[in-house]
Amino acid sequence: AQRVTQPEKLLSVFKGAPVELKCNYSYSGSPELFWYVQYSRQRLQLLLRHISRESIKGFTADLNKGETSFHLKKPFAQEEDSAMYYCALSSMNTGFQKLVFGTGTRLLVSP
Amino acid sequence: NAGVTQTPKFRVLKTGQSMTLLCAQDMNHEYMYWYRQDPGMGLRLIHYSVGEGTTAKGEVPDGYNVSRLKKQNFLLGLESAAPSQTSVYFCASRTTGEETQYFGPGTRLLVL
Repeated sequence: AQRVTQPEKLLSVFKGAPVELKCNYSYSGSPELFWYVQYSRQRLQLLLRHISRESIKGFTADLNKGETSFHLKKPFAQEEDSAMYYCALSSMNTGFQKLVFGTGTRLLVSP
Repeated sequence: NAGVTQTPKFRVLKTGQSMTLLCAQDMNHEYMYWYRQDPGMGLRLIHYSVGEGTTAKGEVPDGYNVSRLKKQNFLLGLESAAPSQTSVYFCASRTTGEETQYFGPGTRLLVL
């Protein structure tokens, strides 16, 4: 079964501190992984996906197949990074692609 | 290009009432999805559609029905609302060959 685990409900850091939001997955196939972000009262939007291997807003995430992890990192957190972050796994189920979401981690960056 | 829109933004229902949530997308996407978002549960897939005239059940379909009569619209219906359906509902769409889903702004539903 496909599953995404985000062990932290809340991560609170000070501005300028490094941030790591954890994501572990369970999937028998070749995973496609994403990070979506939801700022206060806004819609979910894609932050980054592992196959693009890019840095968005200073965030990066590396897929570690050995540890089945896709942790989101940023070296210096900013107050505007405060949001809800969801890790998601794209899985093929009976030929149909769907996203399986983790329960989310709320990042709070204090001044 | 509005992307994905949802109406209404907010609604209060009494137990047993019915309502329909509308999702519209102007990106000519084939796939559309309805999710509900609950604290501590993340997003869970209710129903989805792989094209006009087709729908299928997701992870938590009970108590909901859907229709996709037009490619750009995906309707989510609650025939007899229950307090357990109090949630924020998100619609999403994507195109063939693209893994990224694009989300609407959400509908906040309160069932009393």
